[in-house]
Amino acid sequence: DQQVKQNSPSLSVQEGRISILNCDYTNSMFDYFLWYKKYPAEGPTFLISISSIKDKNEDGRFTVFLNKSAKHLSLHIVPSQPGDSAVYFCAASVDKAAGNKLTFGGGTRVLVKP
Amino acid sequence: DAGVTQSPTHLIKTRGQQVTLRCSPKSGHDTVSWYQQALGQGPQFIFQYYEEEERQRGNFPDRFSGHQFPNYSSELNVNALLLGDSALYLCASDRADYGYTFGSGTRLTVV
Repeated sequence: DQQVKQNSPSLSVQEGRISILNCDYTNSMFDYFLWYKKYPAEGPTFLISISSIKDKNEDGRFTVFLNKSAKHLSLHIVPSQPGDSAVYFCAASVDKAAGNKLTFGGGTRVLVKP
Repeated sequence: DAGVTQSPTHLIKTRGQQVTLRCSPKSGHDTVSWYQQALGQGPQFIFQYYEEEERQRGNFPDRFSGHQFPNYSSELNVNALLLGDSALYLCASDRADYGYTFGSGTRLTVV
């Protein structure tokens, strides 16, 4: 039972263009969502998050959009840079409180071509 | 400020053996969670420790057990290893907010 799904296993984009990563979830109890980035041989690093009371959160080149009715969120990276090449994971939790477990999607591998 | 430290970085074990993985949380963090990441998949929650007690547990068999010490460091033990236990094991720590910090992981190979 995969509660968080990233249906695109990979994405290739030209440097300077927009990268759009998508994530769907099934558990309506999820109310906090996060995106992580992972380079090989490193642990996931936090990128950006969004609470279910919002529909958009922006941090520099990264914007996350949440559509609660569709149970869908997306991450936009503008402009994409070669250093953004990594695996991106969407994650969800039922509560923002400390210590609540994260449920991850399967990841999307992004390749930004110079 | 050291982040989350995991040891060893790589490990090869034989089926049926037991393994212990170690994690030192980020300074100031008191909660430690363990995740298993199989090849090509996202991390899956194993369990979480807070105040030396297991607070939450994911859908993993009892062969997976853990411990948290008074200094907040933690161990993950896996008994009777199976080939399917081969994965990257990630430790994450946090405190009071949602600032999970992940370690670089231990790559376990079971042969």
